[in-house]
Amino acid sequence: EAGVVQSPRYKIIEKKQPVAFWCNPISGHNTLYWYLQNLGQGPELLIRYENEEAVDDSQLPKDRFSAERLKGVDSTLKIQPAELGDSAVYLCASSLGLGGKETQYFGPGTRLLVL
Amino acid sequence: ELKVEQNPLFLSMQEGKNYTIYCNYSTTSDRLYWYRQDPGKSLESLFVLLSNGAVKQEGRLMASLDTKARLSTLHITAAVHDLSATYFCAVFQGGGSADGLTFGKGTHLIIQP
Repeated sequence: EAGVVQSPRYKIIEKKQPVAFWCNPISGHNTLYWYLQNLGQGPELLIRYENEEAVDDSQLPKDRFSAERLKGVDSTLKIQPAELGDSAVYLCASSLGLGGKETQYFGPGTRLLVL
Repeated sequence: ELKVEQNPLFLSMQEGKNYTIYCNYSTTSDRLYWYRQDPGKSLESLFVLLSNGAVKQEGRLMASLDTKARLSTLHITAAVHDLSATYFCAVFQGGGSADGLTFGKGTHLIIQP
């Protein structure tokens, strides 16, 4: 069974440029998460989707970050414009059920460097 | 606000030795996860602990949960080099729309021959 797929794996951009990350969750998983992981830290939740609905986006910096999950499958996370402090790894995860309680399966992440 | 603290944050040990990683958390929770992350790789689920006194074992790793003390431990027995990785505990907190996991900072484990 394929795991969570993310692309690109690496991205280098200049500050103020836009950037987008894509995630394809495990087939049949209803809940999708985007996390931010800074160096030497644990992942921090940005947004959680149940099917196509964003049920928790309280930690998403909405002035520059946006996300969507069309048709309740793939998801895209966008930053516009990017700032130096956005350099981090962006992880996508998915879980089978709803409610955030089930085991989350993580993708390999997108490593972003903003220059 | 839920706080999750792991210690130690960095551990260097020799093969064959035993050691324990600790995970303390600040508010009541009914489930706790342990994940492993290799450099540049994704997080891999190791254990989920669902009740007070729960103990799970896989190979040389054993995890336990004491919900009264708000403490989980990950014990490594007779360490081998392949166990070198960063280990995260993550605590589930329910609260409606804010349900989700809070991760510790991770324990960076190096096992030397």
